[in-house]
Amino acid sequence: DAGVIQSPRHEVTEMGQEVTLRCKPISGHNSLFWYRQTMMRGLELLIYFNNNVPIDDSGMPEDRFSAKMPNASFSTLKIQPSEPRDSAVYFCASSLERRDGYTFGSGTRLTVV
Amino acid sequence: AQKVTQAQTEISVVEKEDVTLDCVYETRDTTYYLFWYKQPPSGELVFLIRRNSFDEQNEISGRYSWNFQKSTSSFNFTITASQVVDSAVYFCALSFYNTDKLIFGTGTRLQVFP
Repeated sequence: DAGVIQSPRHEVTEMGQEVTLRCKPISGHNSLFWYRQTMMRGLELLIYFNNNVPIDDSGMPEDRFSAKMPNASFSTLKIQPSEPRDSAVYFCASSLERRDGYTFGSGTRLTVV
Repeated sequence: AQKVTQAQTEISVVEKEDVTLDCVYETRDTTYYLFWYKQPPSGELVFLIRRNSFDEQNEISGRYSWNFQKSTSSFNFTITASQVVDSAVYFCALSFYNTDKLIFGTGTRLQVFP
């Protein structure tokens, strides 16, 4: 299996631009998670889906952030408009069963200038 | 409160030394799950182990071992005969029966010098 695939690996954008991060979970996994990692806040859960349905989005910072999972093999995290404080590494993870070890993607390093 | 504390921010050792990374958790749930992840310099997060709250058996995997003690709410990780390749940030994490959320500690950066 190719694992969790995230794209792009790196993204540099100007403040105010729209940014879309993409994730392909492991085939057959039914839960998908978006995490953000920063030096100040560590690893924080933004949102997670179970069977393509958003279950908990309480970690989404504000309305500028939105996430979708139109099918079992694809999810997006969108930031519009982006701000410099959104600069971070964004990880996508998937799991098959609750409380199994989550498999993380390689992350997207986002820099907003 | 549900929380994971990794009090050691950074540890430096010389190769072949044994090193223990501490993890203390807080929860009132009786069913919960504990994890360790490794984040090497390349940045990915690698799953190492998962334990459930009903299984206090210690586990050994090669040079890695884990000590789970409910009495002290700790889930410590020991690397025996450390190697330079063990240099990474190690995260302890906690999850619960009724949620898929994974709560991470702040991580411990381990540097192993040759």
